[in-house]
Amino acid sequence: GAGVSQSPSNKVTEKGKDVELRCDPISGHTALYWYRQSLGQGLEFLIYFQGNSAPDKSGLPSDRFSAERTGGSVSTLTIQRTQQEDSAVYLCASSLVGTGGPTGHGYTFGSGTRLTVV
Amino acid sequence: AQKITQTQPGMFVQEKEAVTLDCTYDTSDPSYGLFWYKQPSSGEMIFLIYQGSYDQQNATEGRYSLNFQKARKSANLVISASQLGDSAMYFCAMREGRSNYQLIWGAGTKLIIKP
Repeated sequence: GAGVSQSPSNKVTEKGKDVELRCDPISGHTALYWYRQSLGQGLEFLIYFQGNSAPDKSGLPSDRFSAERTGGSVSTLTIQRTQQEDSAVYLCASSLVGTGGPTGHGYTFGSGTRLTVV
Repeated sequence: AQKITQTQPGMFVQEKEAVTLDCTYDTSDPSYGLFWYKQPSSGEMIFLIYQGSYDQQNATEGRYSLNFQKARKSANLVISASQLGDSAMYFCAMREGRSNYQLIWGAGTKLIIKP
């Protein structure tokens, strides 16, 4: 598509429930990133995909968080047994190459999923 | 230690004035890149400008310029002739050569342009 698409745009869930957040990157972008943005904070790196594999999962905050990417395209971030501290905006970005390119223009972000755990 | 520091949580600026948003960074990697992004209320991150650590000249993109002072480890964003549409959150971010796919972000500055 023309941009990075994320769904849902808003999600309210009860504590303890599982949620799935979806990211549809720009067609042809091999690299995909998930970030989390808590209220009033900058972005926190979660995970990076190159193709379907995730060379760096170091940012996932706990084993309740997992992510996968299929067909080198769509990615799903799953949070199990959600907690109130998981409330945040989850942003996805994609780029043609893993570094975003030499000038940095290459990262394109989606509008995010605002997750609220009540 | 914070790798990216933005010391201005919020700023008010009169329309048409120039504004400087501060960013200092900390890295021991000789190869790095510095980014500025704008985040309007709609939520998406919009790329503004990029400066590579080996770039000899300060980056410019239209009304945006980056005042890169390598020895001081600062990368301030300058917006000339501010417009009402410039009201947004502004984030400084860094990519280090050793982990060249991950952006490290500051906490942001909320800029409000007054008519």
